[in-house]
Amino acid sequence: LAKTTQPISMDSYEGQEVNITCSHNNIATNDYITWYQQFPSQGPRFIIQGYKTKVTNEVASLFIPADRKSSTLSLPRVSLSDTAVYYCLVGTNGGSQGNLIFGKGTKLSVKP
Amino acid sequence: EPEVTQTPSHQVTQMGQEVILRCVPISNHLYFYWYRQILGQKVEFLVSFYNNEISEKSEIFDDQFSVERPDGSNFTLKIRSTKLEDSAMYFCASSRDAYGYTFGSGTRLTVV
Repeated sequence: LAKTTQPISMDSYEGQEVNITCSHNNIATNDYITWYQQFPSQGPRFIIQGYKTKVTNEVASLFIPADRKSSTLSLPRVSLSDTAVYYCLVGTNGGSQGNLIFGKGTKLSVKP
Repeated sequence: EPEVTQTPSHQVTQMGQEVILRCVPISNHLYFYWYRQILGQKVEFLVSFYNNEISEKSEIFDDQFSVERPDGSNFTLKIRSTKLEDSAMYFCASSRDAYGYTFGSGTRLTVV
């Protein structure tokens, strides 16, 4: 499984766009990039997943350059409720092919 | 939105006692998992389960741990003889395909 590196923490203010970058230099051809969000004392929650280029859903966007060695999670107009830990995971997904390897994640603090 | 349900939300047990943590995965999911998170630490993979058998397990998942899918809906994690270091949040998760796992809200296990 590819190792990921992301900032330990980030601060932002309400209404700003937040971009969290993750580097994964050893990503394999069949690896997906997945981001999870975790609030204190809750289970991780799937945010978005992508393989290449750009993926957008109602919550976030995920930008993946052509070499796939990094990815950026973009949260538009954050609110206080977006304060959480965000994890970038790289690997095959689901079933007997793999389990999720969580790093320490990025602790995002949104201030009023 | 379908949910993974875990019970109880909090369990306190004495060292050496057996505990069973219960999970009801999403009904059309085929892959089931247990993870744990010791306070302030990473989310760690314990075991994955597919087609009524363990498909992968971590070093943490030793002989004291077992999993079972006793019927069509429940998925349980048993710890035979709890130790103080088993105190953690235990998360159940399930998945159907490559679109991410769904985690439950967790069971906080406190061993005293």
